[in-house]
Amino acid sequence: DADVTQTPRNRITKTGKRIMLECSQTKGHDRMYWYRQDPGLGLQLIYYSFDVKDINKGEISDGYSVSRQAQAKFSLSLESAIPNQTALYFCATSQGADTQYFGPGTRLTVL
Amino acid sequence: AQKVTQAQTEISVVEKEDVTLDCVYETRDTTYYLFWYKQPPSGELVFLIRRNSFDEQNEISGRYSWNFQKSTSSFNFTITASQVVDSAVYFCALSDWAGTALIFGKGTTLSVSS
Repeated sequence: DADVTQTPRNRITKTGKRIMLECSQTKGHDRMYWYRQDPGLGLQLIYYSFDVKDINKGEISDGYSVSRQAQAKFSLSLESAIPNQTALYFCATSQGADTQYFGPGTRLTVL
Repeated sequence: AQKVTQAQTEISVVEKEDVTLDCVYETRDTTYYLFWYKQPPSGELVFLIRRNSFDEQNEISGRYSWNFQKSTSSFNFTITASQVVDSAVYFCALSDWAGTALIFGKGTTLSVSS
């Protein structure tokens, strides 16, 4: 089984809808991250969490919120989706400042 | 501010050719980490290597090798005898000593034809 899983893997939604992307890990890592990838660009950090009680904004947090329900679970919410949030979303985990390992990604389309 | 530049947007080679992917970074930190990730057509991100700023030794892993030069702020990646399976987008990334976030370059798309 994969160490970092993301659900759903693909999602099509409409403008204004609330949507949640979920991430789970079995690696036992303390840190979790959400990134966004747009075509032709690298990944940009949305939010990160160093532990269950620590959540921090990344460089592009506007329009997003997160919840760290447990050490192994980190979810990303779009309160009111808009078309320019159409992107590939990645969850990542790390143990401390060590290497970040990524989930398989969620492809989100907002119509 | 930290920045990673991958000037090569796309590279096309024929199988068995050697290819070097360039990465130039900017940081004011004395301690930092550099990474390479591979994103094959299937879309996942695969970790390839992590280097800390105090270790300038070149690294070789099979057909892959990495050249880290602090003097030129570069961390280049060479694939020897490229194969079709090497076709992917390759990202160079940088993090600070605390590992707060990865700063990614825009990626280099490598196409290897048979």
